[in-house]
Amino acid sequence: GAGVSQSPRYKVAKRGQDVALRCDPISGHVSLFWYQQALGQGPEFLTYFQNEAQLDKSGLPSDRFFAERPEGSVSTLKIQRTQQEDSAVYLCASSLASGTPWGFQETQYFGPGTRLLVL
Amino acid sequence: AQTVTQSQPEMSVQEAETVTLSCTYDTSESDYYLFWYKQPPSRQMILVIRQEAYKQQNATENRFSVNFQKAAKSFSLKISDSQLGDAAMYFCAYRTLNFGNEKLTFGTGTRLTIIP
Repeated sequence: GAGVSQSPRYKVAKRGQDVALRCDPISGHVSLFWYQQALGQGPEFLTYFQNEAQLDKSGLPSDRFFAERPEGSVSTLKIQRTQQEDSAVYLCASSLASGTPWGFQETQYFGPGTRLLVL
Repeated sequence: AQTVTQSQPEMSVQEAETVTLSCTYDTSESDYYLFWYKQPPSRQMILVIRQEAYKQQNATENRFSVNFQKAAKSFSLKISDSQLGDAAMYFCAYRTLNFGNEKLTFGTGTRLTIIP
């Protein structure tokens, strides 16, 4: 089946602009995650949804960052008033389930990412 | 908070040889998951192998195997018969078993180069 998809793949924004990044998880996956990956670094957790509920947003760096998943499938990460330090690759991942005895369901599958460049 | 350390920023190996990538982690939990992910230049992160901490047997997936030393909090990845397609960034990651705390904590990665 189709994997996790993200759009746009590349986004150039002027400082101060708002941007919206979209994630389409694998069909049927309950959990959805957003990560930020700076150049040359490992991904860092931003936020996590289980269905439409945002269970953890502890990684969002400021109140300019907002994420939603209103119907429990597609998710949007919005960044308001972008700053140069927001330039990074934003990765989305989904997993089938969580908190189950079957470990394989915990595996997170990643999308190709959106590369954001703020000028 | 858990931390993951990859002390080798870059590694290289001759094609068909074996290479081991190191990972250590810090946690106070007794049960958790550990992962190795591969990120080729196209940037799609791909799961290579996973290990449940409660399993004593080391995980293997074809040419990929791990050496999981729970007491030492070490989780190294061994790639046998290295192939050109193995060239990528490799990230070690940790995940708690706690429900509602599903995030992955990644190391800084190791760039693996395969020498033809």
